[in-house]
Amino acid sequence: AQSVTQLDSQVPVFEEAPVELRCNYSSSVSVYLFWYVQYPNQGLQLLLKYLSGSTLVKGINGFEAEFNKSQTSFHLRKPSVHISDTAEYFCAVSDPDDKIIFGKGTRLHILP
Amino acid sequence: DAGVTQSPTHLIKTRGQHVTLRCSPISGHKSVSWYQQVLGQGPQFIFQYYEKEERGRGNFPDRFSARQFPNYSSELNVNALLLGDSALYLCASSPGTGNSPLHFGNGTRLTVT
Repeated sequence: AQSVTQLDSQVPVFEEAPVELRCNYSSSVSVYLFWYVQYPNQGLQLLLKYLSGSTLVKGINGFEAEFNKSQTSFHLRKPSVHISDTAEYFCAVSDPDDKIIFGKGTRLHILP
Repeated sequence: DAGVTQSPTHLIKTRGQHVTLRCSPISGHKSVSWYQQVLGQGPQFIFQYYEKEERGRGNFPDRFSARQFPNYSSELNVNALLLGDSALYLCASSPGTGNSPLHFGNGTRLTVT
């Protein structure tokens, strides 16, 4: 069965510094991968998705992620964070039954 | 265009009671999925419906049930509520299944006392 591991439950980073949020997945078949963001008291919003093709995927709000099949990873990056990026970030994978399975999330803290 | 709408936004119930949560998908979306998000955790898959048929069910007890109506809106029902059912219940719609990204509503916060 598909699963997603987000290696960090919380990541503190200074404003305007770069950030990487790590995600590893387990799957024996081809997968579709997603990153979602959840702001306080809101639902989840899609940041970006990998379906096929280029392994570097660009999303909204300046985020990008790189699909690495050999390392089964899909890490999320942003070169310079802003206070408005404070949120919880979820990595997700679709399983062969077309369900989308989420990781436990990484809380991004932006320090002034 | 209206996004995914869920009602009610907040709900307080007592153990043993029954609850019905409602979801209206984005216009044109035929798939609705339900997720349970316990505080501090990622969303856990409960159900997926596509074209009014159940396409998937997560590891939840039979107290949880759902249905999708001809207009593609959906209801999630939970019977015999337990304290552990307290969570944010998220509804998500998508045009289809598989690689179609989910569009989420803001959720229903259920508190069971």
